[in-house]
Amino acid sequence: AQTVTQSQPEMSVQEAETVTLSCTYDTSENNYYLFWYKQPPSRQMILVIRQEAYKQQNATENRFSVNFQKAAKSFSLKISDSQLGDTAMYFCAFMNSNYGGSQGNLIFGKGTKLSVKP
Amino acid sequence: DTGVSQDPRHKITKRGQNVTFRCDPISEHNRLYWYRQTLGQGPEFLTYFQNEAQLEKSRLLSDRFSAERPKGSFSTLEIQRTEQGDSAMYLCASSLGGMASGGLGGDTQYFGPGTRLTVL
Repeated sequence: AQTVTQSQPEMSVQEAETVTLSCTYDTSENNYYLFWYKQPPSRQMILVIRQEAYKQQNATENRFSVNFQKAAKSFSLKISDSQLGDTAMYFCAFMNSNYGGSQGNLIFGKGTKLSVKP
Repeated sequence: DTGVSQDPRHKITKRGQNVTFRCDPISEHNRLYWYRQTLGQGPEFLTYFQNEAQLEKSRLLSDRFSAERPKGSFSTLEIQRTEQGDSAMYLCASSLGGMASGGLGGDTQYFGPGTRLTVL
């Protein structure tokens, strides 16, 4: 069974600084997808970034980028120029590749609580 | 696109009562997922539908849990004879997946705000 591990329960960063959140996963599959979701306090979960395992290039979305190391099964999230609005729980998630009608549920880590301080 | 909506947002019930939650997905999405999130944990998958077909239900926590999506649009999650351990946030997500998205897989799931259940 696939598992996702986030080893940092809490982190803090000063506004405008850069922070990296760690995520490792375990799978025997070769094709899969990885995601980072953000869950602000009392608000709904939103997608930050996604990565296809077959792509060697790391995904980027504005201030958010990932360091995807397939052999090491590592998928870290870097947030540059941190803003107060980045304060949230961040969840790393894994999805098996699915084709046609097969299962596509997400497997989540326990999350990292990020606090951005002014 | 109004996003995924869930109703009610909060539900307080007494142990032994039945509760039903509703999820309305993004209109063009054919897949709908239910997750449970307890305090300090990431969401845990429960079940999912593609259109009206329930393709995975083995992860439902017990036979007290059931879900339906009768017309392939909104879905309901019912918990019968609630227990205090059922207290959690119940999240719904939807996506455009399977052959509807070209069969490429990895469909992005969009989450609703959740229903917070408290069982007294």
